[in-house]
Amino acid sequence: DSGVTQTPKHLITATGQRVTLRCSPRSGDLSVYWYQQSLDQGLQFLIQYYNGEERAKGNILERFSAQQFPDLHSELNLSSLELGDSALYFCASSVRGTSSGPSYNEQFFGPGTRLTVL
Amino acid sequence: AQSVTQLDSHVSVSEGTPVLLRCNYSSSYSPSLFWYVQHPNKGLQLLLKYTSAATLVKGINGFEAEFKKSETSFHLTKPSAHMSDAAEYFCVVTDNNAGNMLTFGGGTRLMVKP
Repeated sequence: DSGVTQTPKHLITATGQRVTLRCSPRSGDLSVYWYQQSLDQGLQFLIQYYNGEERAKGNILERFSAQQFPDLHSELNLSSLELGDSALYFCASSVRGTSSGPSYNEQFFGPGTRLTVL
Repeated sequence: AQSVTQLDSHVSVSEGTPVLLRCNYSSSYSPSLFWYVQHPNKGLQLLLKYTSAATLVKGINGFEAEFKKSETSFHLTKPSAHMSDAAEYFCVVTDNNAGNMLTFGGGTRLMVKP
């Protein structure tokens, strides 16, 4: 158990709908990352938040948005859903927001939310 | 920019035989490299990491990897495969100069035959 929790575990919805995925980081971790794992795109970094502020953006669609709240939990909002959005969405957390030189800032992954768009 | 190429999408071995999962990376700066494992319907677990210390890195469950800068490789090995090693393995790079974003390889599915 990594200490990172994600809800819900599974989500089934229809095209055009909007969903919200939730992530609670490990106690003390300030940084939250969202990743998408799909069959055709593999595992991709979406977005990172550090202590409430957006820190880095990856391959995140404009229909998707995220935020990190004062209690450090994060939500990923997916709107106007398409069939191709069906994927496993992972959240990870780390203590700091960046790596400092050779020092790696380990990310701990949650169990994921499996989204199915019908 | 950083990227990772896992040279085999599937590897099949017999139980008790050695495992070799190949990974090549590209990074503009001194990278940190990792191997993660994902068992079916599970999250990602860190197997081992290289962060510019010893080039031979030992991880959990008997896995190890060697960082070879001249070959830009970070292959994962294990002397003797166990049935419980069957999973998807991801080679991952992060560019220490560009924050903490992880870039994943395409994954290698390891199958272990009895």
